[in-house]
Amino acid sequence: EAGVTQFPSHSVIEKGQTVTLRCDPISGHDNLYWYRRVMGKEIKFLLHFVKESKQDESGMPNNRFLAERTGGTYSTLKVQPAELEDSGVYFCASSPGLAGFQETQYFGPGTRLLVL
Amino acid sequence: KNQVEQSPQSLIILEGKNCTLQCNYTVSPFSNLRWYKQDTGRGPVSLTIMTFSENTKSNGRYTATLDADTKQSSLHITASQLSDSASYICVVSANTDKLIFGTGTRLQVFP
Repeated sequence: EAGVTQFPSHSVIEKGQTVTLRCDPISGHDNLYWYRRVMGKEIKFLLHFVKESKQDESGMPNNRFLAERTGGTYSTLKVQPAELEDSGVYFCASSPGLAGFQETQYFGPGTRLLVL
Repeated sequence: KNQVEQSPQSLIILEGKNCTLQCNYTVSPFSNLRWYKQDTGRGPVSLTIMTFSENTKSNGRYTATLDADTKQSSLHITASQLSDSASYICVVSANTDKLIFGTGTRLQVFP
C-alpha cells in the first residue's frame, strides 16, 4: 500500500511568487492534515480536512495560505504571495477517520520550501 | 499555553547501549501522547500512542512510559542500533485531532 506522498519534494521561489504544494493521502483515508516546521522550531498544525470539508483551520498563519481538497482525495496548499518567513518544511498526514483522536496519523516525506 | 518540552536536545551513544529520552507536557485536556521517529529527510513515523489510562507501551526495542499525574513521558531504547539514529518527537493530543509537537531529541548512534 502506498504511503502519503507529497509533491514537490523541494521548491525554491522568490518572495512574492506563488507556490502550490500537493498531498496525496493514503487511499481511503478521510482525514488529511497539513503541518509546517520552520527552521529550528517544532512542527505545528496548520489545518485538518475531513473528506472535502475543513474541520479545523485554526493553525493557518494568514490569508496568504489557501488549502483545498476537492473531491475529498488529494489536497493542495497554495501560498500566494510567498514571504521569506514561509520557508520551512510542509508535512501532510492522513488517517482513516474511524477511531477518533486515538488514530495514528501517517506522515508524508514533506516539501522543503525556500523563499528567497 | 499548550506546550511539549523534550530533553535532552541531542544525545550521542554507542551502538548496543540503552538510552532514555524525556518529555514534559502542559497540554489540557489531555487525550493521548505519541512518540514519533523522524529520519533525516523523511516524515515522522509513529512508534507508540498512549492514552490517559496507559502507563507503558512497547514497540520492539522502544518502550514508552506515561505518568499522567506529573505530565511526563519517557522513551527508552534498548540495545541501540545504528538505524536508531534519528530525531524522536513527543507529540500530545488535547481531545482534538490537532497534534502538539515537541522540538524533538536528536539521537546519534555511533559504532
